[in-house]
Amino acid sequence: QVQLQESGPGLVKPSETLSLTCTVSGGSISTYYWNWIRQPPGKGLEWIGYIYDSGSTNYNPSLKSRVTISVDTSKNQFSLKLRSVTAADTAVYYCARDFTMVLWGQGTLVTVSS
Amino acid sequence: ESVLTQSPGTLSLSPGERATLSCRASQSVSSTYLTWYQQKPGQAPRLLIYGASSRATGIPDRFSGSGSGTDFTLTISRLEPEDFAVYYCQQYGSSPPVTFGGGTKVEIK
Repeated sequence: QVQLQESGPGLVKPSETLSLTCTVSGGSISTYYWNWIRQPPGKGLEWIGYIYDSGSTNYNPSLKSRVTISVDTSKNQFSLKLRSVTAADTAVYYCARDFTMVLWGQGTLVTVSS
Repeated sequence: ESVLTQSPGTLSLSPGERATLSCRASQSVSSTYLTWYQQKPGQAPRLLIYGASSRATGIPDRFSGSGSGTDFTLTISRLEPEDFAVYYCQQYGSSPPVTFGGGTKVEIK
């Protein structure tokens, strides 16, 4: 069955760039929308943005100036870059498929701290 | 911008009781694009309801969704011990494309 797995550094320094990758296994990345969602400790879910397999993107307006989502169809992966991070960006980051999100990664905690 | 407001923030109930969770949208949402998720500590959210009222695969029939326009409801007819969790509504299709409600925690009384 299709599975998603987030990967990347668990600790990022303030003002630096957070970089995460979501690997899609057991199926193709093509013809789906792929989302990044985050959840600060003890808080609710926040949608970050999505990418379609063609490379078209859409971002949460509150993060748009700092976010880039890209896709590598040859590796069946898509990635998140969040620039100029602060402690407020500390969260569990999830990847998920489509808008009715039946498929989620397990999530990865990213802490922003010096 | 479409904002989803969930109420109550916390619902304290006993096993066997009925839970009624509300999700109100600041702008009309197509029923097709309203979903509900359940999240337990340390886990990713799990899809419960899509299209406002359709149960996802494997979801027990004690979970039901209803509503239209700006008012949507998730009902758990008889709470089982495993149902105590946080529930989120989500819409897509408006601007921004995806938004989540703030969540309702269903806790054991």
